[in-house]
Amino acid sequence: DIQMTQSPSTLSASVGDRVTITCRASQSISSWLAWYQQKPGRAPELLIYKASSLESGVPSRFSGNESGTEFTLTISSLQPDDFATYSCQQYSSFPWTFGQGTRVEI
Amino acid sequence: QVQLMQSGAEVKPPGASVKVSCKASGYTFTSHGLSWVRQAPGQGLEWMAWITTYNADANYAQKFRGRVLVTVETSTSTAYMEMLSLRPDDTAVYYCARDQSLVRGVWDSWGLGTLVTVSS
Repeated sequence: DIQMTQSPSTLSASVGDRVTITCRASQSISSWLAWYQQKPGRAPELLIYKASSLESGVPSRFSGNESGTEFTLTISSLQPDDFATYSCQQYSSFPWTFGQGTRVEI
Repeated sequence: QVQLMQSGAEVKPPGASVKVSCKASGYTFTSHGLSWVRQAPGQGLEWMAWITTYNADANYAQKFRGRVLVTVETSTSTAYMEMLSLRPDDTAVYYCARDQSLVRGVWDSWGLGTLVTVSS
């Protein structure tokens, strides 16, 4: 199975901050990586797919990048609505696997 | 609009089985695959299984193979996830999630989740 290692597990930040979350795959997944946002008690929501493609309706302050097996999610200017948990997920091969999540808190 | 309506919360004793439903609306059911993803309390997301809705071909994570069965009923646009031999560590919220168009494994719509509690 492909292991997805996310860091940090928790991130403390303020409104307006630039925030970056990293996800490393244990082997090549090409660009087959997605990022999801999840708020307490709610289902995840798709932010980014194919490493850097922004899902329709997602604010442009979210962006994704890749370098080999390392992927990043960046929020350019953190907004109050962005305090949530973010998870990466590879869909290169079965079984599809998630990172353990990064909680972004105030 | 796309909706995935899941069945209500369940409480089951260890060893029992549970069947969760996911009724789709607002799109052509057979045009998108569906996955089941679970989340134990305070834990991360875990992919369980995926099914093609047009021919019911399924793929399971190894840890669920033989204990989980995912099916679809195209006449009612409904998918089902049945789990056998429940254990306390199966306590989780179970989500169904729709594949993006033409892209399996990326989920652009999710159900609200079904809490399954396994307790004696």
